[in-house]
Amino acid sequence: SAVISQKPSRDICQRGTSLTIQCQVDSQVTMMFWYRQQPGQSLTLIATANQGSEATYESGFVIDKFPISRPNLTFSTLTVSNMSPEDSSIYLCSVDPMTGDETQYFGPGTRLLVL
Amino acid sequence: KQEVTQIPAALSVPEGENLVLNCSFTDSAIYNLQWFRQDPGKGLTSLLLIQSSQREQTSGRLNASLDKSSGRSTLYIAASQPGDSATYLCAVKNTDKLIFGTGTRLQVFP
Repeated sequence: SAVISQKPSRDICQRGTSLTIQCQVDSQVTMMFWYRQQPGQSLTLIATANQGSEATYESGFVIDKFPISRPNLTFSTLTVSNMSPEDSSIYLCSVDPMTGDETQYFGPGTRLLVL
Repeated sequence: KQEVTQIPAALSVPEGENLVLNCSFTDSAIYNLQWFRQDPGKGLTSLLLIQSSQREQTSGRLNASLDKSSGRSTLYIAASQPGDSATYLCAVKNTDKLIFGTGTRLQVFP
C-alpha cells in the first residue's frame, strides 16, 4: 500500500493568482497522477507526473495552466496558474505503487475555492 | 475513447436492504476495474479491485463482479448500514490510466 499526504488541505484564493499543491508519498513510486474533481462531478485525469521528464497531459489540460514538478520518486507538485472561479475543485494526487496488487491509491485531496 | 457510466446516479434505501450498483464501460480492453468509496469532503478509499481475468471479488459485505465482454461491473452491498452512505465510484484501467465513472450517491437511512 501507499500513504499519501497533500498540502494544503484547502485554500481560498483570489482570481489571477497561482497555488502550488504538494503531494508526498511514504514510499518510492514510479507512477504519480494528478486528478481534478469539479463540484458534483467525477474525477478527471489532468496529467501523469514522470520522474526525470516532463509530465504527460491529458486532452484539455496544458502545461502553462497546470505546471507539474516531479523531482524524485516520492514527491510531486501541481501548480494551478492564473486561477479563475472555474478552477474551484478538489485536486487529488494518486499513485500506483506497482507492487503487485495494482491498486491505485489516492491522497486526501486539496479543496480549492477561487473567488 | 473509454467512457464509464454508473447507474443509478443516486440511491436512497432503508437500512438492511441489499443493493446493486452498476458500472458500464465502452472499451473492453481493460487491465482491471476498481471500486472506490468517497465520503463527503474526503479522498477516495479503494474497496475492491478486479483483474481483467477475474469474474468477481469479495470483501466482507461487498461483492464486485466483472463481465468484460459486455463492458459491465456490479457492486453488491449486503445488509446495508447507515455507515455505507457515501458516493461510490468505479474506475477502469486502460494502459496506465484510471478512467472514472460518474458515481452513485448512496444514502442509507435508519
